[in-house]
Amino acid sequence: EQLVESGGGLVQPGGSLRLSCSASGFTFSNYWMQWVRQAPGKGLVWVSRINNDGSTTSYADSVQGRFTISRDNAKNTLYLHMNSLGAEDTGVYYCVRDLLVLRTSRNYYYYFGMDVWGQGTTVTVSS
Amino acid sequence: EIVMTQTPLSLPVTPGEPASISCRSSQSLLDSDDGNTYLDWYLQKPGQSPQLLIYLVSYRASGVPDKFNGSGSGTDFTLKISRVEAEDVGVYYCMQRIEFPITFGPGTKVDIK
Repeated sequence: EQLVESGGGLVQPGGSLRLSCSASGFTFSNYWMQWVRQAPGKGLVWVSRINNDGSTTSYADSVQGRFTISRDNAKNTLYLHMNSLGAEDTGVYYCVRDLLVLRTSRNYYYYFGMDVWGQGTTVTVSS
Repeated sequence: EIVMTQTPLSLPVTPGEPASISCRSSQSLLDSDDGNTYLDWYLQKPGQSPQLLIYLVSYRASGVPDKFNGSGSGTDFTLKISRVEAEDVGVYYCMQRIEFPITFGPGTKVDIK
């Protein structure tokens, strides 16, 4: 079970970036997914989440309207599209596995913690 | 949003000695619909990604040794390490997942005296 982020880099203020997270070793389409970030020397901050089929999303107030989370279950990949980037968005972005959803006649939800984290990808916003 | 606080923020520990970290939430983390209390503990070792230690207050994640124990209810929670070893150093975070936005505590830095 592994998550591998990519797409980070140096971007100018006001610029855009798209992060990707490739999942392997588990059934990606059965899990909600999250993005969590960490500014240099600071703590963990939740950014966004998406449900297992991509139909619902949530965002932190600090990124609402600027960031878009999405997923492609056929490609086992999670994305974070980031626009209007500012210095406050600088940090390491982690892709994280979240809630398990098993579907029969209805959805059953199982929470075992945010149990798989990627290695992170670094975003630096600077001129 | 739910505010998470932790004490202490820094915890120097003698190897082999126990350690305890407290976490408090600004509102109850008990979900009355399913009966679960959504409080987790994560450890971020130096230079590494965070890793899950404890979920739903007291359930150890896969591979986590039984020297780590979580307890608590409602708004007050504790992580106890029975015997701290050098490999346990890092920053410990509590986190609530009962509602969005998910929020983390500020972290408790555990190091060896």
